[in-house]
Amino acid sequence: GENVEQHPSTLSVQEGDSAVIKCTYSDSASNYFPWYKQELGKRPQLIIDIRSNVGEKKDQRIAVTLNKTAKHFSLHITETQPEDSAVYFCAATNDYKLSFGAGTTVTVRA
Amino acid sequence: NAGVTQTPKFQVLKTGQSMTLQCAQDMNHNSMYWYRQDPGMGLRLIYYSASEGTTDKGEVPNGYNVSRLNKREFSLRLESAAPSQTSVYFCASSQKGGTGYTFGSGTRLTVV
Repeated sequence: GENVEQHPSTLSVQEGDSAVIKCTYSDSASNYFPWYKQELGKRPQLIIDIRSNVGEKKDQRIAVTLNKTAKHFSLHITETQPEDSAVYFCAATNDYKLSFGAGTTVTVRA
Repeated sequence: NAGVTQTPKFQVLKTGQSMTLQCAQDMNHNSMYWYRQDPGMGLRLIYYSASEGTTDKGEVPNGYNVSRLNKREFSLRLESAAPSQTSVYFCASSQKGGTGYTFGSGTRLTVV
């Protein structure tokens, strides 16, 4: 099955700086890569996703890049704000079920 | 429109007790899933149902059983709870294979 590795496990950034989270996947057939944000005590919520036929996607301060050859994808958050503090999960799939990374706890320092 | 509803939200069990976690979705999604979330381990798939009438094992199925009661409902049963099953359990549903996952609010289960 698919194996997704995520780095770093924790990330502390100054408000206004950028944050980057990186993930690698093992199954070259994977074709869909979503990112989820989970606030403390809440459910994971989709923030952005990318398909294998696209190299980059942007939504306001959030962007995701995909390198199919190297089998890795990254989340970029620019101009970080306190409300960006949360746990972020990457995931990958080529069928019905998502395989998730272990998560990155992002803390934005005021 | 409630999305995905899970019950109960919290539960404490004694070792060896059984219980069923309930999940229902009102989005007419075909696929439903049960994940467990443990610190530092992300979300791990327990069982999933690609469509009504089918169920399959995920990454960590041991100690669990599931029932896809109808298109809306997908339950998770612990027959004999163990402390290793202490976790937060999330139900999710999706329309098209893996895309547009919607999660329930979670069940925090403690086995003592």
